[in-house]
Order: sequence, then structure tokens, then C-alpha cells
Amino acid sequence: GNSVTQMEGPVTLSEEAFLTINCTYTATGYPSLFWYVQYPGEGLQLLLKATKADDKGSNKGFEATYRKETTSFHLEKGSVQVSDSAVYFCALSNNQGGKLIFGQGTELSVKP
Amino acid sequence: GAVVSQHPSWVICKSGTSVKIECRSLDFQATTMFWYRQFPKQSLMLMATSNEGSKATYEQGVEKDKFLINHASLTLSTLTVTSAHPEDSSFYICSARWEQGMGYGYTFGSGTRLTVV
Repeated sequence: GNSVTQMEGPVTLSEEAFLTINCTYTATGYPSLFWYVQYPGEGLQLLLKATKADDKGSNKGFEATYRKETTSFHLEKGSVQVSDSAVYFCALSNNQGGKLIFGQGTELSVKP
Repeated sequence: GAVVSQHPSWVICKSGTSVKIECRSLDFQATTMFWYRQFPKQSLMLMATSNEGSKATYEQGVEKDKFLINHASLTLSTLTVTSAHPEDSSFYICSARWEQGMGYGYTFGSGTRLTVV
């Protein structure tokens, strides 16, 4: 079945450090891939998405590239800020009107 | 666009009472909505998929008589936690699927913190 695996957190970084959060997936067909961010006590906000192989999603300095050959969608940011502290979820959808399948989430803590 | 409003944001109720949570799509029609439950420091657990005008599809292990889902219109889905008990205390989040042309996505409500005392 379809599944998403993220690197375990928490990830603690200093401000302006480089961020990578690994995400790999298992899926049949050609899923769409998403990164969502959740701030404490809130729902999820879409950060970026990619719908086909080699697509790069980007938003607010975050980027992720849909790599079919490695079944990965790693999230990167060149210089993190304290305000980026949150939980990040990688997810996939099978494009057939179905549900989102989430990874376990990765907590990011950025220290000044 | 594609905004989902979820109410209430938090609720405290007595054990044995029922609580209703609303999820509204404000600027689009949501044929499919999803209800999740989230425990502290954990991922979202899908409870059920709600399609307008039909019965919800519950995930394995979710009590359909306990968590009543109604999706009576294209903009409103409700989750009612019946005869709530302290173990039902959790963070509940709804999501709606939107479609536009060939594109689609999922928008989430801001969540409801339920505390049963």
C-alpha cells in the first residue's frame, strides 16, 4: 500500500542554518506529493506541492523536488528562522479523489 | 481561495454529553471532506472520509456510532462525538478536497481541541 516515511525529530538548528527534512514514499502509480506545516495548536497549512516527477515545489524559501528514481521529496531551506519552528508533514495523494497519506511528522526547533 | 472554517476552536464538555464540530468550506464546494484526530506529538490519524449526500466511510477501528459524521451539503460537514468520555479528549481536524480544472488540493481547518471532564 501507499506510505510515507519522514526522518525522526526533533530537529534543532541555529538560526540561518541549512535545513533538510528527508521524506521517502511508497506508492503505486504517480502520486502527488505535499509538504504541510503545523504551528502549535493550529491546523495544517500547505507549504508546497509537486504533481509529477522532477517538479520542484517552492514557497517561503522552502523547496522540495519530486524524485521518482529515489522515491523522495526532501524538504530544504537555505537559512532557517526562529519563526520556522513548527511540525512539518510530508504527504501523498493518489490523484484519484482519495485521502492524503501522511508521514509521522518532523518537529523543527530553531534557536536564535 | 480554498478556505475551510472549523468551529469551535476549543470545547470543554462533561462526560456523557455530546459535542458537535462543524467544518465549512467558505469559497468552494467540497464534495469530499476528511476528519482527523491528532494526539500530542503524533501525526494525523484519519477517522473517516465524508462525501456529500452519502454515508461516511470510517477507517478501521473507528466507532461510527461514537463519531457521527454528516455531510449534508457541499459546504458543510459535521462531526458529533456522542456520549463523550475523557479518552475522547483530543485535537480534531477537518480537511476538504478542492478541485479546479486538472489541479486539486486539500485545505485544513484550524482544528478543535476537545476536553472531556
